[in-house]
Amino acid sequence: DTAVSQTPKYLVTQMGNDKSIKCEQNLGHDTMYWYKQDSKKFLKIMFSYNNKELIINETVPNRFSPKSPDKAHLNLHINSLELGDSAVYFCASSQDIRRVTDTQYFGPGTRLTVL
Amino acid sequence: GNSVTQMEGPVTLSEEAFLTINCTYTATGYPSLFWYVQYPGEGLQLLLKATKADDKGSNKGFEATYRKETTSFHLEKGSVQVSDSAVYFCALSGPRYALNFGKGTSLLVTP
Repeated sequence: DTAVSQTPKYLVTQMGNDKSIKCEQNLGHDTMYWYKQDSKKFLKIMFSYNNKELIINETVPNRFSPKSPDKAHLNLHINSLELGDSAVYFCASSQDIRRVTDTQYFGPGTRLTVL
Repeated sequence: GNSVTQMEGPVTLSEEAFLTINCTYTATGYPSLFWYVQYPGEGLQLLLKATKADDKGSNKGFEATYRKETTSFHLEKGSVQVSDSAVYFCALSGPRYALNFGKGTSLLVTP
């Protein structure tokens, strides 16, 4: 069983469109994250949720909106896509956000290409 | 704020060579330190971690020791294999619990 899964794996779309990426974890973790990896492989946190509550909201454009219907799911909706949004988006989860020793488990990534 | 600095890649080694990838950090408090590996086309996997000073993390022949005095967490392996070719990320647990990553070091091991 895949611990952290994301769909879709690849997403190609036109500028101005709205798209969503879904993430699910079956590890029973309380905390989930979205990271963005740019073309130079640099990874940066975007959001984190703990038990459906938003904890971290980095300086991400308002066009990005995370939604957590339950603690096993964290979806990312992006409005009015721009060329600069092209990247690989990784979902991750960990047991408890308050424990700095916890390992984060990553999904396989979604490669978003905006044309 | 917290930050991680890794040696720039790419690093190219012959099979069975010794590997060191340097990682230094700046942090307040007592962060945990991690090495993650990303194989081509895949997500990140935890390679090893250390949660306090002088701890040594190890896995699959890789080792790293949490050195508070030098604020370092260098990754080492005595004999690399072609299958170790990947991108390696050093990371620390940040003040709001997300991971702060270094820029990654690409390793290519040739037969």
